[in-house]
Amino acid sequence: DVQMTQSPSTLSASVGDRVTITCRASQTISSWLAWYQQKPGRAPKLLIYKASSLESGVPSRFSGSGSGTEFTLTISSLQPDDIATYYCQQYNIYPRTFGQGTKVEIK
Amino acid sequence: QVQLQESGPGLVKPSETLSLTCTVSGGSISSYYWHWIRQTPGKGLEWIGYIYYSGSTNYNPSLKSRVTISVDTSKNQFSLKLTSVTAADTAVYYCARTRGFGDLVDYWGQGTLVTVSS
Repeated sequence: DVQMTQSPSTLSASVGDRVTITCRASQTISSWLAWYQQKPGRAPKLLIYKASSLESGVPSRFSGSGSGTEFTLTISSLQPDDIATYYCQQYNIYPRTFGQGTKVEIK
Repeated sequence: QVQLQESGPGLVKPSETLSLTCTVSGGSISSYYWHWIRQTPGKGLEWIGYIYYSGSTNYNPSLKSRVTISVDTSKNQFSLKLTSVTAADTAVYYCARTRGFGDLVDYWGQGTLVTVSS
């Protein structure tokens, strides 16, 4: 299996801050990496696919980058609505695997 | 608009079989891949497996010995059976759809909590 490792596990930032979350794959996955946002009691919501493509309807303050084994999700200006847990997922091979999540809090 | 709805017991006893059904509405079950994904506090999100509408399956090796996914195209439903459950199988179980083998999920169910306890 491809192990996905996210950091940090928790992040506290102020409204307006630039926030970066990192995801590392245990083997190369090319650009087959997605980022999800999950709020309590809800299914994950797709933000970014193919490492850097913004899903339709997702605010442009979200962006993704990386390829191979190192990836980042950036929120350019943190908003109160962005409080959630964020997950990366590789879809290069089965079984699909997810990072353990990064909980974003407002400072 | 496609909607997926999980149903089944919310409480299962240890060593018994967990059974869930996902009902698909607003679209046909044909020509898509149908997945089960679970979420636990300890292990996070875990892909369980998928079934293609024709019946071919692919399971997570970590669960393969205990998992069966089946499809009933006449009812627009697919189902999950997980045998010999333990407390570690306590999770929110999601059903989900992908358009193709290599695609991301485009529709999720709302999720259903299954607790394993005596």
